[in-house]
Amino acid sequence: GAVVSQHPSWVICKSGTSVKIECRSLDFQATTMFWYRQFPKQSLMLMATSNEGSKATYEQGVEKDKFLINHASLTLSTLTVTSAHPEDSSFYICSASGTSGRRDSYEQYFGPGTRLTVT
Amino acid sequence: KQEVTQIPAALSVPEGENLVLNCSFTDSAIYNLQWFRQDPGKGLTSLLLIQSSQREQTSGRLNASLDKSSGRSTLYIAASQPGDSATYLCAVVSGSARQLTFGSGTQLTVLP
Repeated sequence: GAVVSQHPSWVICKSGTSVKIECRSLDFQATTMFWYRQFPKQSLMLMATSNEGSKATYEQGVEKDKFLINHASLTLSTLTVTSAHPEDSSFYICSASGTSGRRDSYEQYFGPGTRLTVT
Repeated sequence: KQEVTQIPAALSVPEGENLVLNCSFTDSAIYNLQWFRQDPGKGLTSLLLIQSSQREQTSGRLNASLDKSSGRSTLYIAASQPGDSATYLCAVVSGSARQLTFGSGTQLTVLP
């Protein structure tokens, strides 16, 4: 149980284009989803937190107009990197938390990540 | 603001050794602490989760302890194997937003 998927697993795009990454909770309702980015040899940094049906809360230094987050349902959140540039190349990981039976509502379940390369 | 520190940053041991990875956090008001494993270019694998009311958790050759009052946790790996080679991340859930704050990780190499 508690499976989170991400699509695509990797993507290469040209500078100036937009890329959408999907995060799905497959067997539970994710009331909250988180988006992280990870640069090589570094740890995960939280970008934003989104609750279903409301606007995302962005961490300081993360441009909300560049990284658009939509959490329209209890099983799907999307991250759109708009007008991507090479410096946006990174590993993006989502996580989801929610309630399902005895599951701890504060535990986050992680997706496998999406490798974005902007050329 | 919660800060999580992991020591050492890198560790190399011969196969069969027992080892300890350390994690410390600045704000002891946590909900839980998790240890993750990350292989190169891959996502996170949750290893152990310790609730704030617990002192330790065990899974196979792994044992994690938590001393919330002192802001410390250790991950003990017994009889290490080359397959244990990976980066190990410690993370705590804290704050009103229940955010997960990660340490910078310990890169473990187990030599055959």
